[in-house]
Amino acid sequence: DVKVTQSSRYLVKRTGEKVFLECVQDMDHENMFWYRQDPGLGLRLIYFSYDVKMKEKGDIPEGYSVSREKKERFSLILESASTNQTSMYLCASRRTGNQPQHFGDGTRLSIL
Amino acid sequence: KQEVTQIPAALSVPEGENLVLNCSFTDSAIYNLQWFRQDPGKGLTSLLLIQSSQREQTSGRLNASLDKSSGRSTLYIAASQPGDSATYLCAVRSILTGGGNKLTFGTGTQLKVEL
Repeated sequence: DVKVTQSSRYLVKRTGEKVFLECVQDMDHENMFWYRQDPGLGLRLIYFSYDVKMKEKGDIPEGYSVSREKKERFSLILESASTNQTSMYLCASRRTGNQPQHFGDGTRLSIL
Repeated sequence: KQEVTQIPAALSVPEGENLVLNCSFTDSAIYNLQWFRQDPGKGLTSLLLIQSSQREQTSGRLNASLDKSSGRSTLYIAASQPGDSATYLCAVRSILTGGGNKLTFGTGTQLKVEL
């Protein structure tokens, strides 16, 4: 079974802090994704990566950056956290080709 | 731009009933469609993936169909159980969106199966 592991289930940070969300997958998938999920807005893609050191902007990249130094790890960075970034963050991975996308358990992030 | 709609937004059924969840999408140029389940406060669990060339996929009590030309998919759940209570999401991977890498999600159907 594919395992996508997000480092924290719950996280509380203060405005202005630099926040790191970590995601690791164990199936050697080329593609990794970061989403946020908000009531009434559904899932929205922040960034994705199709290879080590490669990244593409999704629908809502503003205020975020990402890092993919190793194939199995994809990090989401909030450069200067703001209250409107309080949300559920979901990481996913997928093998290249017509393969299913697999999700982690999510990180519920609160910015105070 | 791909848009995905799920109807109904919420559904409550008695245990044992067979039920159908609906998903429609506007652009038929897709690679595949994936159904997910999400329990409260949790991530998404992949249920079924249907390739654009396929008509249906089955897993246990679940059967998903795809009619690409009409932009519709259904998820059929047989003999529903209280443990099936969750939000069900469909997502479409479009050929022309996000370089073909992006999933477009519906807003989900919240299912409650009552004893």
